Amino acid sequence: GAGVSQSPSNKVTEKGKDVELRCDPISGHTALYWYRQSLGQGLEFLIYFQGNSAPDKSGLPSDRFSAERTGGSVSTLTIQRTQQEDSAVYLCASSPGTSKQYFGPGTRLTVT
Amino acid sequence: DQQVKQNSPSLSVQEGRISILNCDYTNSMFDYFLWYKKYPAEGPTFLISISSIKDKNEDGRFTVFLNKSAKHLSLHIVPSQPGDSAVYFCAASAPRGGGNKLTFGTGTQLKVEL
Repeated sequence: GAGVSQSPSNKVTEKGKDVELRCDPISGHTALYWYRQSLGQGLEFLIYFQGNSAPDKSGLPSDRFSAERTGGSVSTLTIQRTQQEDSAVYLCASSPGTSKQYFGPGTRLTVT
Repeated sequence: DQQVKQNSPSLSVQEGRISILNCDYTNSMFDYFLWYKKYPAEGPTFLISISSIKDKNEDGRFTVFLNKSAKHLSLHIVPSQPGDSAVYFCAASAPRGGGNKLTFGTGTQLKVEL
């Protein structure tokens, strides 16, 4: 079946611009996660949606980062006023409510 | 503060031999552990997991060992194959306390040579 998809696959933006990254989770998965991987680093948790519960935003690095999940399915991660340190691969994952998560291919964001 | 540590950034093994990848953690609340494999330009793919109530879990060529008292886990791949060459990430979660979000190590690049 279809896995997690993310778009765009690559995004180059100028410092100070806003960007939106999209994630389509596996159908029926109740949980959706965003992570990012900076160069030479492990994956860093950003935000987590579980069903209709309030999202766990504890990993968001600043108030320039926000995410929403519409209709319990598609999610958008928005980064406002991008900075060079935001350059990373942003990964989305979904799960049926367990710790086993299925990852998308990621969006490589480059802020120039 | 790195709560999950993979101290070996790279490992090289000959085809057919055993690969042993190590992972240490500091947070005693972690009670579920996973290994993911990642190829370049792809997302991580789940490999194997273990709950803290077990000390070993096996799936084909892959075995994960957990030593709770030492806060250490390891992934054994035997026999290693060239297609196993990838970056391996150790991850941990605390489902009962912190939800299912994963805390990852920095990864170990495994190279299986012919």
